[in-house]
Amino acid sequence: DIQLTQSPSFLSASVGDRVTITCRASQGISSYLAWYQQKPGKAPKLLIYAASTLQSGVPSRFSGSGSGTEFTLTISSLQPEDFATYYCQQLNSYPFFGPGTKVDIK
Amino acid sequence: QVQLQESGPGLVKPSQTLSLTCTVSGGSISSGGYYWSWIRQHPGKGLEWIGYIYYSGSTYYNPSLKSRVTISVDTSKNQFSLKLSSVTAADTAVYYCARGASSSGRFDYWGQGTLVTVSS
Repeated sequence: DIQLTQSPSFLSASVGDRVTITCRASQGISSYLAWYQQKPGKAPKLLIYAASTLQSGVPSRFSGSGSGTEFTLTISSLQPEDFATYYCQQLNSYPFFGPGTKVDIK
Repeated sequence: QVQLQESGPGLVKPSQTLSLTCTVSGGSISSGGYYWSWIRQHPGKGLEWIGYIYYSGSTYYNPSLKSRVTISVDTSKNQFSLKLSSVTAADTAVYYCARGASSSGRFDYWGQGTLVTVSS
């Protein structure tokens, strides 16, 4: 099975900061990767799929890149509503999720 | 706008079978192009994919849960269901249903989630 790791697992940042989260796959998955945002008590929300395609309605400050085994989610200017936990998910075989990265207020 | 809503008991006794239903509105399960999934989240933990079903009835399960999981679909009611047998306290979690796009695999619509507690 393909395993996903995320780094960092926890991130403390300020409003306006540029934030980058990395997701690594244990084997190549081409561009079959999605990113989700989850806030406490809420269902995850799809942000990006196919590694870099922005889901409709998602602000353009979110972007994704990468292919193969290394992927990044970037928030260009962190907003108050962006403090949440972010998960990557591989779409190449079983749709397993990464362990998550919590973005907290500095 | 597609909406999904989970329903079922919030409390299940150990060794019994957990049963949940997801009702889909705003779109037809039979329309094709999507698979219908169950995902769970243990308290304070990450997301665990349980399995999914196509409208045709084809199923795919997480290997770690496969022996205990059954997912079925009722196209006449626009619903799909989860059964998880022989539950223990380790199955206590929030259970989500979600729609996955078969072209890309992404989960684009989710239910709000329902907490199921396994306790005597």
